[in-house]
Amino acid sequence: GQQVMQIPQYQHVQEGEDFTTYCNSSTTLSNIQWYKQRPGGHPVFLIQLVKSGEVKKQKRLTFQFGEAKKNSSLHITATQTTDVGTYFCAGMGSGGYQKVTFGTGTKLQVIP
Amino acid sequence: GAVVSQHPSRVICKSGTSVKIECRSLDFQATTMFWYRQFPKQSLMLMATSNEGSKATYEQGVEKDKFLINHASLTLSTLTVTSAHPEDSSFYICSASAGLAFYEQYFGPGTRLTVT
Repeated sequence: GQQVMQIPQYQHVQEGEDFTTYCNSSTTLSNIQWYKQRPGGHPVFLIQLVKSGEVKKQKRLTFQFGEAKKNSSLHITATQTTDVGTYFCAGMGSGGYQKVTFGTGTKLQVIP
Repeated sequence: GAVVSQHPSRVICKSGTSVKIECRSLDFQATTMFWYRQFPKQSLMLMATSNEGSKATYEQGVEKDKFLINHASLTLSTLTVTSAHPEDSSFYICSASAGLAFYEQYFGPGTRLTVT
């Protein structure tokens, strides 16, 4: 079945440093979404990418969808303590409505 | 923004009993609702997808008779864990979307189930 892996699993950064998490799917995706889950909280939608090679920005966050639509990345510039949490990608396979598969997640810790 | 509620937030039950968890979309009509299970420090595992008025679609390995899902209206879906056992203890999260396709999902706050 479809598998979605994220690396790294954990990342500790000093406040102000950049951070990137990578998402890789075993199959081609029709689209991908990113979510953030704060400790003790529930996932909150960040963004959806649909087009091959698509790049979207939200303030300090940059999201990219690979040309082959099998991978994606989230880059945070100049991290802040409010960025702490676990970031999940979630993708759906191509070829019509199929199940949603969440990535393994990357837990980000920002050291003040 | 869209709000999804879950009730109860925490429940402790004895082994062998059944527990019902409610998921409600408060300010929009949810065509599709999803039920996930999340183990500590792990990702979300999709259990089933339910569309209003039809039977839920369960993921491979999820027992239909154990995890009963009912999506009776466009704002309410319920998950009933029947004959609960300690291994069913987990964090159950529902989400709702307004479309049949892969639209933005709005997550509920989750339900922590502990089976003793």
